[in-house]
Amino acid sequence: GENVEQHPSTLSVQEGDSAVIKCTYSDSASNYFPWYKQELGKRPQLIIDIRSNVGEKKDQRIAVTLNKTAKHFSLHITETQPEDSAVYFCAASSGGNKLVFGAGTILRVKS
Amino acid sequence: NAGVTQTPKFRVLKTGQSMTLLCAQDMNHEYMYWYRQDPGMGLRLIHYSVGEGTTAKGEVPDGYNVSRLKKQNFLLGLESAAPSQTSVYFCASTTGTVQFFGPGTRLTVL
Repeated sequence: GENVEQHPSTLSVQEGDSAVIKCTYSDSASNYFPWYKQELGKRPQLIIDIRSNVGEKKDQRIAVTLNKTAKHFSLHITETQPEDSAVYFCAASSGGNKLVFGAGTILRVKS
Repeated sequence: NAGVTQTPKFRVLKTGQSMTLLCAQDMNHEYMYWYRQDPGMGLRLIHYSVGEGTTAKGEVPDGYNVSRLKKQNFLLGLESAAPSQTSVYFCASTTGTVQFFGPGTRLTVL
């Protein structure tokens, strides 16, 4: 089955700097890759997603890149703000509408 | 439009007790899921359903049962709770790919 690894497990950045979180997946049939943000005590919420027929997708300060050959995808957050502090999860889906999640990255933005 | 709701929000059980967690969605979604979230382990799929009357096992199904008698509801049961089932439980639903999560249930088994 699918296996998703996520790095780093914790990331501290200064406000205004960029943050990058990386994930690798094992199933070459995976074709959908969402990123979820979870604030403390809250539910995970989708912030951006990408499908396997696209290499990059942007939405304001966040972007996701996908390298199908290497089977890895990354989340990029530019101009980080304190409200970006949260846990971020990557996931992969190889069909059947099931997601396999990475272990999560705790992002701390220091002001 | 309430989205995905879960009851209860918190629960403390003693080892061996049973309970049922309820997930409800008002978005007419076909697919529903139960996950557990433990520190450092992300979200792990327990059971899921691809439609009313159907259920299937996920990654960590042992010790749990589910039922989907109505399209809008997905129930997760613990027949004999164990301390290893202490976790935060999230329900999610989707009509295709984007999964929408409920607010979670924090369960402690003593």
